[in-house]
Amino acid sequence: DAGVIQSPRHEVTEMGQEVTLRCKPISGHNSLFWYRQTMMRGLELLIYFNNNVPIDDSGMPEDRFSAKMPNASFSTLKIQPSEPRDSAVYFCASSLRENSNYGYTFGSGTRLTVV
Amino acid sequence: AQKITQTQPGMFVQEKEAVTLDCTYDTSDQSYGLFWYKQPSSGEMIFLIYQGSYDEQNATEGRYSLNFQKARKSANLVISASQLGDSAMYFCAMREPGGFKTIFGAGTRLFVKA
Repeated sequence: DAGVIQSPRHEVTEMGQEVTLRCKPISGHNSLFWYRQTMMRGLELLIYFNNNVPIDDSGMPEDRFSAKMPNASFSTLKIQPSEPRDSAVYFCASSLRENSNYGYTFGSGTRLTVV
Repeated sequence: AQKITQTQPGMFVQEKEAVTLDCTYDTSDQSYGLFWYKQPSSGEMIFLIYQGSYDEQNATEGRYSLNFQKARKSANLVISASQLGDSAMYFCAMREPGGFKTIFGAGTRLFVKA
């Protein structure tokens, strides 16, 4: 199993541009999570999906952020327009909801820099 | 609201010694899960150990053990026989009933000295 795959690993973009982060969860996992990590705020849950349906997006900071999961093997997090304060590491994680005594499997993260 | 508190921003330990990383939590739920994750300097998040709120015995995974004290709402991670490769950031986390949402503490950075 290749694990949770995120792309790109690094993204540098100019303020105002649209940014799309991608995630492929582990096959068979039915829950997917997007987290953001910054020095100031630590790890914040942005949104999570169960069976491709968004369950809770209360962590999405603003309307500039949106996330989709069109099928069980793919999810995107989009920021439009991007701002310097969006600079962070964005993690995607997946799990099998029924196996709640096991932790999430995280991707390697996307380091986003908005200049 | 649920909350995880890690009061030690940084810890030092001598190689081959044991170290305890503190974690306290706050929740009104009776059913919950507690986790520890490791984040090395390379950045990935690695699941280490799990403790269920109804588990009567402390969880163990190799050199990792979780000292679970439910009445005190603490879930400390004990690493025995520290190795240089244990130098990393360690996060305590709690998952809500139903198995969906997990919140993380601020983390403790562990430095293992040779």
